[in-house]
Amino acid sequence: NAGVTQTPKFQVLKTGQSMTLQCAQDMNHEYMSWYRQDPGMGLRLIHYSVGAGITDQGEVPNGYNVSRSTTEDFPLRLLSAAPSQTSVYFCASSYSSGQGDYGYTFGSGTRLTVV
Amino acid sequence: QQQVKQSPQSLIVQKGGISIINCAYENTAFDYFPWYQQFPGKGPALLIAIRPDVSEKKEGRFTISFNKSAKQFSLHIMDSQPGDSATYFCAASRDDYKLSFGAGTTVTVRA
Repeated sequence: NAGVTQTPKFQVLKTGQSMTLQCAQDMNHEYMSWYRQDPGMGLRLIHYSVGAGITDQGEVPNGYNVSRSTTEDFPLRLLSAAPSQTSVYFCASSYSSGQGDYGYTFGSGTRLTVV
Repeated sequence: QQQVKQSPQSLIVQKGGISIINCAYENTAFDYFPWYQQFPGKGPALLIAIRPDVSEKKEGRFTISFNKSAKQFSLHIMDSQPGDSATYFCAASRDDYKLSFGAGTTVTVRA
């Protein structure tokens, strides 16, 4: 069981370039989400999905797009990279126990630097 | 503006000591309060979680204390070990799966 797989692990972009961060899960989880982690700010929600074909914005969505064509995959697209998007990005998938517990599994992260 | 405020930013504890991390929230609609542990270069991993209908939950050396009236909750790490050295995040969510995280606390356990 691989869990949540993120690629690439490291990436350097030039300002204005676009790229896609890949995320795949093999646990058949309904929910998937993208967070960014910045020093002193914890993790902030970028976009999330409650199932294939359904996505919505989180706390910091500007400059990012997502789509969810399958249960397994939830790619994050940076449209035109800016230095402010330098961060560590985490993909997570989760389930609901139906009793208010949400079992999150995070990927190992993508460290992105925009120069 | 962070919905969950976490303190301290970092702490150092001797092996065998107790580490205490505190979190406070404002949104009374929050009803699920997990703690995550993160090692360098890894993603966060769920450590322990509590719901507001209980005041304390213990799993091994880790205990969550929850004070609903004060809108505060805390993590206690008993008998701290060098392997506990990590960054800890508190979080909260309200009847859905979207988590609001605290800023994190870096814990260093000195042998």
